[in-house]
Amino acid sequence: TQLLEQSPQFLSIQEGENLTVYCNSSSVFSSLQWYRQEPGEGPVLLVTVVTGGEVKKLKRLTFQFGDARKDSSLHITAAQPGDTGLYLCAGTWWAGNKLTFGGGTRVLVKP
Amino acid sequence: GAVVSQHPSWVICKSGTSVKIECRSLDFQATTMFWYRQFPKQSLMLMATSNEGSKATYEQGVEKDKFLINHASLTLSTLTVTSAHPEDSSFYICSARVRGSYEQYFGPGTRLTVT
Repeated sequence: TQLLEQSPQFLSIQEGENLTVYCNSSSVFSSLQWYRQEPGEGPVLLVTVVTGGEVKKLKRLTFQFGDARKDSSLHITAAQPGDTGLYLCAGTWWAGNKLTFGGGTRVLVKP
Repeated sequence: GAVVSQHPSWVICKSGTSVKIECRSLDFQATTMFWYRQFPKQSLMLMATSNEGSKATYEQGVEKDKFLINHASLTLSTLTVTSAHPEDSSFYICSARVRGSYEQYFGPGTRLTVT
């Protein structure tokens, strides 16, 4: 079974602090996506990474794909209350394959 | 671009009745659509994969006779929950993917409550 493990499960921080969410697997991904979901809504795609060692930035969010393509991280700098939500990583093991989701990280940024 | 809609956004039905949920890709053709189920404070659980013009592939443990999926066109897939029971109450989310792409775009979800 190909599993994705996300950590931590829950993160509560003060506005202005930094945070990092991790996504790990024992298998090699062909691609990995990060999504953010708010209550009662569908996930919104933040980024897709496909190349080992790849780093992508989206404003205050930095996404990194491990060299071996088995792990990824999401780092948020100077978090804001609007960053509150459920962050999900999801991987595919070949193009056209279904997504497998990690367990999610619930982030709460307090003002 | 890459907008996916779902209808209805929420529905309440009585036990034993059937409910149909529609998923549409509004500005692209989706060769593959996926149906997920999500329980409160949990991640998404894939129920089935549906390819246009062919039978859906269900994940292990998902009853195909209870959750009927139809993908009749490149922009529409439907999920019908037959003979619904209270334990079927959940948040159902669809997603759509363009052929050969890694990325999936999700609909806003449908909250189903079975009384």
